[in-house]
Amino acid sequence: GDSVTQMEGPVTLSEEAFLTINCTYTATGYPSLFWYVQYPGEGLQLLLKATKADDKGSNKGFEATYRKETTSFHLEKGSVQVSDSAVYFCALTLNTGFQKLVFGTGTRLLVSP
Amino acid sequence: DTAVSQTPKYLVTQMGNDKSIKCEQNLGHDTMYWYKQDSKKFLKIMFSYNNKELIINETVPNRFSPKSPDKAHLNLHINSLELGDSAVYFCASSQAGDNQPQHFGDGTRLSIL
Repeated sequence: GDSVTQMEGPVTLSEEAFLTINCTYTATGYPSLFWYVQYPGEGLQLLLKATKADDKGSNKGFEATYRKETTSFHLEKGSVQVSDSAVYFCALTLNTGFQKLVFGTGTRLLVSP
Repeated sequence: DTAVSQTPKYLVTQMGNDKSIKCEQNLGHDTMYWYKQDSKKFLKIMFSYNNKELIINETVPNRFSPKSPDKAHLNLHINSLELGDSAVYFCASSQAGDNQPQHFGDGTRLSIL
């Protein structure tokens, strides 16, 4: 079935460090790919998305490129801040008209000053 | 101006009881969802409604019954609560169609004693 695999956390970084959170997927068909972020005590917020191969999603300094050849959608940020500490979820939907989001297990990011 | 609101935020109850969680969205979206997040942060879709019609029903026990009185509301009723129902339940909404971002509520933390 369709699935998303993320690197296990927590990822612990110092402020201004470079961030990569790996995400790979398995899907029948051509999925759209998303990164959602969950801050403590809150619901998920869409961070960025890409809907076809080689698309790059970007928002708030975060980027991810849809790589069909490696079935990956890795999240990157050049310089993290303490306020980026949160849980990051990679997810996919198949473009069937039914928006069933399939999530990865989430990766907790901890950024220290 | 809350977009997706859930009540209650916390729900503590005993095994065997029946409880409901309410969800309302003021975004004018056609589609609403319920997700369950377990203690390891894993998120899985339970139900989805489009214009009050059930379109996604994952393998959820019959004790869970969603109800959508109108397209702005999607409530979740749970009968005969079990220990394994302890989780955070998230409501979300989106426009219909592919690639539409889902907007999440802040969650309802259900604890079964």
